Amino acid sequence: EVQLVQSGAEVKKPGESLKISCKASGYNFATYWIGWVRQMPGESLEWMALIYPADSETKYNPSFQGQVTISADKSISTAYLQWSSLKASDTAMYYCARRPVAPDCFDPWGQGTLVTVSS
Amino acid sequence: DIQLTQSPSFLSASVGDRVTIACRASQGINNYLVWYQRKPGKAPKLLVYGASTLETGVPPRFSGSGSGTEFTLTISSLQPEDLATYYCQQVTDFPLTFGGGTKVEIK
Repeated sequence: EVQLVQSGAEVKKPGESLKISCKASGYNFATYWIGWVRQMPGESLEWMALIYPADSETKYNPSFQGQVTISADKSISTAYLQWSSLKASDTAMYYCARRPVAPDCFDPWGQGTLVTVSS
Repeated sequence: DIQLTQSPSFLSASVGDRVTIACRASQGINNYLVWYQRKPGKAPKLLVYGASTLETGVPPRFSGSGSGTEFTLTISSLQPEDLATYYCQQVTDFPLTFGGGTKVEIK
């Protein structure tokens, strides 16, 4: 069974750094794109970034370029999303999701990591 | 960026009703349209890809249609377990974008 398991909820202060994780199992992690999607409170879904673990090629939504960094460690089948300096506006639920080539979609999704940034 | 406009943003219907959700793209996306269901407290789940292909295991009361700029997700007979928010997504061009969501309530 293909499964994505994300790290637990985080409570941080503005200006702090953070790295959340998404561990994959049940498939060849290196050969599928994997990405992150943000959902702010009461808002819709926003695609943030994708990475291809085999060669670490990345694609970013321009809205998030420079704000976050996506990375992956194929030796432990884990993708990451990190911030160097959090803002209150980063408070959101973050989902990781695999992007197969066919069909072209996001499937499956991780369970979500709630990030709360508050002073 | 390709904008996706979903309508309605909220709907309330009775068990057994036929429900239709629309998704309009700001430019043609062929059939590169995906539908997801997000139940309260759960992660999104793939329902339909390629605009009209039902994911394995999804009940046949769900169906997707459309091409170009106009798409619909239909639930032929609404069930209590269909309480959820539904999102469309285009996968033809970066940045990948989602619609605003349609929250479905059971009367």
